[in-house]
Amino acid sequence: SQQGEEDPQALSIQEGENATMNCSYKTSINNLQWYRQNSGRGLVHLILIRSNEREKHSGRLRVTLDTSKKSSSLLITASRAADTASYFCATAINQAGTALIFGKGTTLSVSS
Amino acid sequence: NAGVMQNPRHLVRRRGQEARLRCSPMKGHSHVYWYRQLPEEGLKFMVYLQKENIIDESGMPKERFSAEFPKEGPSILRIQQVVRGDSAAYFCASSPSGQENTEAFFGQGTRLTVV
Repeated sequence: SQQGEEDPQALSIQEGENATMNCSYKTSINNLQWYRQNSGRGLVHLILIRSNEREKHSGRLRVTLDTSKKSSSLLITASRAADTASYFCATAINQAGTALIFGKGTTLSVSS
Repeated sequence: NAGVMQNPRHLVRRRGQEARLRCSPMKGHSHVYWYRQLPEEGLKFMVYLQKENIIDESGMPKERFSAEFPKEGPSILRIQQVVRGDSAAYFCASSPSGQENTEAFFGQGTRLTVV
């Protein structure tokens, strides 16, 4: 079964709006990571949040983690057409946090 | 510093043939991971290797699939006697160590089509 499940499956917004994607997971974790995948391309690492962190920022990205609810959210502020991609959360099955289990992703479409 | 290099980018095989996918990790990285992505799905972990060792192959199908990461050269994912269900994108990632909270870097993937 999936370790990470993203919600919603698809999201369509206008440029300038904020996009929020959620991720739920099942087991205890050391960290949770978010990745972006443009159509037909490889994955790009966005941000890693450790289990003892509650919030982390990187540019226009804001990630929160609630270990009591086993959930995380990714907020993209002031979205741009170039943000159009699929976004995945991933948790690790090894101590290092590098052998990952991915959800099915949220497909974000930003129109100009 | 070149990123993770995978080749070929696209591979077409007939049913019953063998597919060999190559992955050269980033310079200085000794940990390699293979993932498979079916259409409209997230990535599924297959195998985790260090140089000359398989660390975790819990995601590998029991038959026809094998992986290696020799002392010299790229990591190879080998699929024998391919079937149509093997059609997918195969991604390789590498990391410099197995330490906690280490980021893995992904290649562009190899898209395998079995006809």
